[in-house]
Amino acid sequence: KNEVEQSPQNLTAQEGEFITINCSYSVGISALHWLQQHPGGGIVSLFMLSSGKKKHGRLIATINIQEKHSSLHITASHPRDSAVYICGVPQGAQKLVFGQGTRLTINP
Amino acid sequence: DVKVTQSSRYLVKRTGEKVFLECVQDMDHENMFWYRQDPGLGLRLIYFSYDVKMKEKGDIPEGYSVSREKKERFSLILESASTNQTSMYLCASSLVQGARDIQPQHFGDGTRLSIL
Repeated sequence: KNEVEQSPQNLTAQEGEFITINCSYSVGISALHWLQQHPGGGIVSLFMLSSGKKKHGRLIATINIQEKHSSLHITASHPRDSAVYICGVPQGAQKLVFGQGTRLTINP
Repeated sequence: DVKVTQSSRYLVKRTGEKVFLECVQDMDHENMFWYRQDPGLGLRLIYFSYDVKMKEKGDIPEGYSVSREKKERFSLILESASTNQTSMYLCASSLVQGARDIQPQHFGDGTRLSIL
């Protein structure tokens, strides 16, 4: 079974700061998922990536397949970015296993 | 947009009750999932279904069962609720993952279940 570790578990920052959340996994994968969960519970998919880098607005996700590591960056952070960020990797053909999540709080 | 709808946002039940959590998706997805989410433990898979009447145990199936009689609906059943099943329950669905075709999972809003 793939083991997924996220760091940090909690992160508090001031508005405008550059944010980095890390995800490491133990077994080689085809792709990695980053998800966002806002207060209230709903989870949305942010990125799926298998190599290199993807960018969507102020969010950037990178992956290093050889090192089994991915990072999620947020530039010019804003209080509305406050959420739990979750990485997930495949387990078997159809399932995902997730890290424990990183709770991000951006203060104005 | 894919819509995954869970029947309740909040639910309070008593120990020993039989509890049904319902999930419906509107995009003809083959795969459906039930997770529970607890602080510090993240999302853990309870059961997975890859087709009507087909199911597979996840990492923590004890105390739960599931039913998938129609493709769009996946039900989670707590046979005899216990206090350690107090949690956030999330349903998700996805298309079948191909060898080179990565598909996202689409989540419902979750049901916060309290067992008293």
